[in-house]
Amino acid sequence: DADVTQTPRNRITKTGKRIMLECSQTKGHDRMYWYRQDPGLGLRLIYYSFDVKDINKGEISDGYSVSRQAQAKFSLSLESAIPNQTALYFCATSDQGLSPKGTYNEQFFGPGTRLTVL
Amino acid sequence: GQNIDQPTEMTATEGAIVQINCTYQTSGFNGLFWYQQHAGEAPTFLSYNVLDGLEEKGRFSSFLSRSKGYSYLLLKELQMKDSASYLCAVSSTGGGNKLTFGTGTQLKVEL
Repeated sequence: DADVTQTPRNRITKTGKRIMLECSQTKGHDRMYWYRQDPGLGLRLIYYSFDVKDINKGEISDGYSVSRQAQAKFSLSLESAIPNQTALYFCATSDQGLSPKGTYNEQFFGPGTRLTVL
Repeated sequence: GQNIDQPTEMTATEGAIVQINCTYQTSGFNGLFWYQQHAGEAPTFLSYNVLDGLEEKGRFSSFLSRSKGYSYLLLKELQMKDSASYLCAVSSTGGGNKLTFGTGTQLKVEL
């Protein structure tokens, strides 16, 4: 079973609709992240959470909100979707200490959600 | 703020060696990661450098010079399956060790 899962994997919606993307992890990590990826712009951080009570805005949080329901779950919402939010969305997790590879903050990514807003 | 630069595209021949460069500017440097991402898939971890020098892992090696704000990823004995985007990402102590990603280098391996 995958350690980081995202639902849905694909979604097509219309302008103005509310959309929720969900992320779950079984890695036991405290830290979770939401990114969007656009061609030519790379991965950009939307929101991140270092534990259930600690949620922070990333570089492009406008138009998005998040909820950390539990250590293992981190949801991203688009309150009123617009076409320029069409993108590939990734959830990621990391531990706060050293990984088994001896790295700090190595992030593990979910499979992504391809969102299209018409 | 942080700034990460890497070439947009590179092409190399199967069996050859390719070097993908990454330059960065950041305060509170706390490590540099390389990820591989095949089209439409999740990024996967390749390597990590926090001290100057070369880290070797099979066909992949990564080098870091902190004084120059420079890293490279070296791929040897290229295979067709190495065709992918390679993402350079910097971890900095400001803001809780978040990763900032470069825009990625799209590598195409040809016969």
